Amino acid sequence: QQPVQSPQAVILREGEDAVINCSSSKALYSVHWYRQKHGEAPVFLMILLKGGEQKGHEKISASFNEKKQQSSLYLTASQLSYSGTYFCGTSQLNAGGTSYGKLTFGQGTILTVHP
Amino acid sequence: DTEVTQTPKHLVMGMTNKKSLKCEQHMGHRAMYWYKQKAKKPPELMFVYSYEKLSINESVPSRFSPECPNSSLLNLHLHALQPEDSALYLCASSVGRFGDSPLHFGNGTRLTVT
Repeated sequence: QQPVQSPQAVILREGEDAVINCSSSKALYSVHWYRQKHGEAPVFLMILLKGGEQKGHEKISASFNEKKQQSSLYLTASQLSYSGTYFCGTSQLNAGGTSYGKLTFGQGTILTVHP
Repeated sequence: DTEVTQTPKHLVMGMTNKKSLKCEQHMGHRAMYWYKQKAKKPPELMFVYSYEKLSINESVPSRFSPECPNSSLLNLHLHALQPEDSALYLCASSVGRFGDSPLHFGNGTRLTVT
């Protein structure tokens, strides 16, 4: 089941903040976030496991609301290097409390940061 | 520099050709994946290998045949492809396959079927 990302595109000026959302209709074991620049491979940003934790990495952080099956990626004080397409990837929870072993990506959010 | 190496970077093949894509990682990861990515679309899972055994096949047509000769190598054999199979083929690896470890992607093979 493909997760739904919003918004589809965001345009920012350097220093502005952005939030990208990811939601699923299925119970989730984990949520991953990746950034892909044009012509390059997706690069891992962070992973959140069920439990409602929040993680941060410099000016990029994320949260996972286990009850709502939603995750949000927070980009603060954006830099030009943040431009790219952001994908969330979700792994569904199985009856045994782990995942089915498949990571399914959302449609992506195109982030453009201007000087 | 990516730790997952894919060759070739580009491949052009006719519909009657047989070719192979190669992926290699030396991180000791036990799960390896093939994803297909069309332009402006997300990566779509094709196959998952865990401990060198095929664990997931996402109903991929038989003209795509994966192979995992050892824990470091993953191949994708191509035969009688269609023009709509043209895409970026991404290989990835992770410590485990249960969604609790990051995927490390290679730079991909851009395939054009003529």
